[in-house]
Order: sequence, then C-alpha cells, then structure tokens
Amino acid sequence: AQSVTQLGSHVSVSEGALVLLRCNYSSSVPPYLFWYVQYPNQGLQLLLKYTTGATLVKGINGFEAEFKKSETSFHLTKPSAHMSDAAEYFCAVSDLRDDKIIFGKGTRLHILP
Amino acid sequence: DAEITQSPRHKITETGRQVTLACHQTWNHNNMFWYRQDLGHGLRLIHYSYGVQDTNKGEVSDGYSVSRSNTEDLPLTLESAASSQTSVYFCASSESPMSGETQYFGPGTRLLVL
Repeated sequence: AQSVTQLGSHVSVSEGALVLLRCNYSSSVPPYLFWYVQYPNQGLQLLLKYTTGATLVKGINGFEAEFKKSETSFHLTKPSAHMSDAAEYFCAVSDLRDDKIIFGKGTRLHILP
Repeated sequence: DAEITQSPRHKITETGRQVTLACHQTWNHNNMFWYRQDLGHGLRLIHYSYGVQDTNKGEVSDGYSVSRSNTEDLPLTLESAASSQTSVYFCASSESPMSGETQYFGPGTRLLVL
C-alpha cells in the first residue's frame, strides 16, 4: 500500500532563509508525487508534481522538489522564504493503478520576520 | 473560468440529522472526490466517482453516501450526523483517465455537528 510521511508537522524559518519541507513515500510501483499548498480558509492547490522524466521539478512561487528514488524522498525547497509562503503544505502520492491520491498529514510553514 | 464550488461554506447541525453538502464543477472532469480534513490526519478520502452512475468507497466512508447523476455534481450526504463527523470537507475533481492528473479542489465546507 502507498503511504506518505511528512517530517515535522510545523516548520519555522526566517524570512529570506531556505525552506526545506521533507517528504518520504512508500510505493511498490513507480510513483507519481505531488506537493499541494493550502492557504488559510482555502482549498488545496497544486504547487508541483512529478510523473516521469526530469527528477527536479519546478513549481509555482519559486518552489521546487527533487524525486530521489534511492531515498524514496520528494523534499520541497525554496531558496528564500517570503511571508506569503506561510501556509500548510501537503505531500501526496499516487501511481499508475488508479487516480486516487494518498496525502500526507501536512506541514505548517511559519515565516518569522 | 472553470471552477469547483461547494455549498454551504459553513453548516451547523444536530446529531441525527441528515445533511447534504453540495459540490459542483465546471471543468467537465470525469473524476470527483470527497475528502475530510482533520487535525493530525491530513486529508482522508471519503468517496469518489469516475463518472456518471459510478461511486466508490474511500478510506473513511462509514456514515456517508454519494450519488452521481451528472458530470458536474457529486453531493455528499451524511445520513445521520454524528459529532465525529465535525470536520472540514473538500471536494476535488480531476481529468480522467490518466493517473498523475492534478486534482482541483473546492474551497471547503466547515461542518459542526452538535
């Protein structure tokens, strides 16, 4: 069965500092991997996704993630945090077998001035 | 622009009452999903549909039902609301049939069961 583990339910970084949100997955077949962001009182929106091809994926708002099969990881990074990045971030996995997505429990990102 | 809407946005009800949450999408997507979001659990799948007249149970389907009579709508019914069903509910849709497709989410319905 697929699963996703996000390390750290809360992460705090200073404005301008590197953002690193960790995600590890478990899947018996090649995965599709996603990062979604949820701003307060809103639904989720896609930041980026990996399906096939290049393992470094660039998304919106300056975020990127790298698929590392050997480490079963898909960590999300951004070189310089902005106050507007404060939100909850969800890592998710699916695969070829169906269209369902399994979500991690989420990481709330706090940006310190 | 295409969108996915949910109504009501906020609902307070009493235990034992039947409640229906509406979801409407104008993406013309075949796939539609209902999730609930709770602290410490992330998003959990309640029911999903791959097309008209198709419905399937998700991870936490007990006490919930859905029906799909057209492409645009997937209403979620709580047959007899329980306090454990107090949550934020999200509807989502995606284009079928390729896996790896992006899911588009509605704004959510916050439900309080007293």
